[in-house]
Amino acid sequence: EPEVTQTPSHQVTQMGQEVILRCVPISNHLYFYWYRQILGQKVEFLVSFYNNEISEKSEIFDDQFSVERPDGSNFTLKIRSTKLEDSAMYFCASGRTGMNTEAFFGQGTRLTVV
Amino acid sequence: GQNIDQPTEMTATEGAIVQINCTYQTSGFNGLFWYQQHAGEAPTFLSYNVLDGLEEKGRFSSFLSRSKGYSYLLLKELQMKDSASYLCATTHKAAGNKLTFGGGTRVLVKP
Repeated sequence: EPEVTQTPSHQVTQMGQEVILRCVPISNHLYFYWYRQILGQKVEFLVSFYNNEISEKSEIFDDQFSVERPDGSNFTLKIRSTKLEDSAMYFCASGRTGMNTEAFFGQGTRLTVV
Repeated sequence: GQNIDQPTEMTATEGAIVQINCTYQTSGFNGLFWYQQHAGEAPTFLSYNVLDGLEEKGRFSSFLSRSKGYSYLLLKELQMKDSASYLCATTHKAAGNKLTFGGGTRVLVKP
């Protein structure tokens, strides 16, 4: 069964460093998302991406964040200068269409900023 | 704005039935999803409702009342592996398929 894959599963980084979280969405999906979940809290939307551009972003997704789809398969989330409060599980998700269909989530990358 | 409420935790016995309620206030409501999330894992899709009524899928059913801003997820014949968090999430017309999640309901199934 096709699945969304994310790497790495766990990343530890020092405050102020840049990190890139990688995702390979399901191959025939057209809509891509990043969500995050701080430990013990709810899943929060960060950004959606369609047709090679951001379609929506949340207040969390400030200038420190960027997304890219550098080739036909990868979808990356970059955090330019990490802060302690960026520590969270980051989930990539993809969907076939933009409406009324489920999003499939990857297993997540646990980011720990020290 | 979006506001989603669901109970924090519920406990039930193996073999029993549990109903998890979710109330929402979502401008431009366009559908409601239920996801299951085991600790430390990704959310996995359970059900989707956009019209009023009951959707049944094996041991799991989901109900929606748009006029009341209310949904429930019904888990029947509970198994130990059903111990997980159950996340209610809404989408709205202006936002494509972006999901707005509630805080989740942690269900503990006891023998």
